[in-house]
Amino acid sequence: GAGVSQSPSNKVTEKGKDVELRCDPISGHTALYWYRQSLGQGLEFLIYFQGNSAPDKSGLPSDRFSAERTGGSVSTLTIQRTQQEDSAVYLCASSLGLGFPDTQYFGPGTRLTVL
Amino acid sequence: AQKVTQAQTEISVVEKEDVTLDCVYETRDTTYYLFWYKQPPSGELVFLIRRNSFDEQNEISGRYSWNFQKSTSSFNFTITASQVVDSAVYFCALSEAMNRDDKIIFGKGTRLHILP
Repeated sequence: GAGVSQSPSNKVTEKGKDVELRCDPISGHTALYWYRQSLGQGLEFLIYFQGNSAPDKSGLPSDRFSAERTGGSVSTLTIQRTQQEDSAVYLCASSLGLGFPDTQYFGPGTRLTVL
Repeated sequence: AQKVTQAQTEISVVEKEDVTLDCVYETRDTTYYLFWYKQPPSGELVFLIRRNSFDEQNEISGRYSWNFQKSTSSFNFTITASQVVDSAVYFCALSEAMNRDDKIIFGKGTRLHILP
């Protein structure tokens, strides 16, 4: 596709369940970014991939969060044992990877609601 | 430590007026990047500009201009002849290039209302 796509667009889950969020970057973009936006915390940077590698995972909020990227393309953000404070919009962006961070193109986000 | 402050929480101006959004940052690095993003009511973030700390030239792109002043640690954003379509939340952000942590720190955002 022409832009960054994310799925699902909305996810409602019960506290304690695991969720997996997916991001499809723009074809040819080697860098991929995950962000979270919530009312309480504003806009937060979570993690960045250059190719399949994430040099720094310290932006992930807790050890319940993990992210991977395979084949230098699709990335998944997994949240285990979800908590209500995980409710947020999770945004993904991709870029050409010409340096951290270069011009990013954002997806529409996944709205996660934890009941 | 990195910090970005956008002191203006919300601004309303009448269409065609000029408006400046303030951004003040804190960093110990001498090499860093500054950014502005736009988030319209649709919710999808739009990357507006990236500026490195060695380039203090002001930048103009159409009705948008950015004023980077190292002396005051500010990276302000001006919209000239504002239009209703400029209504959005605008975020300023900072990334330290020399820091081994790949992080981007955002301000809280400024909500801009352009009134017709």
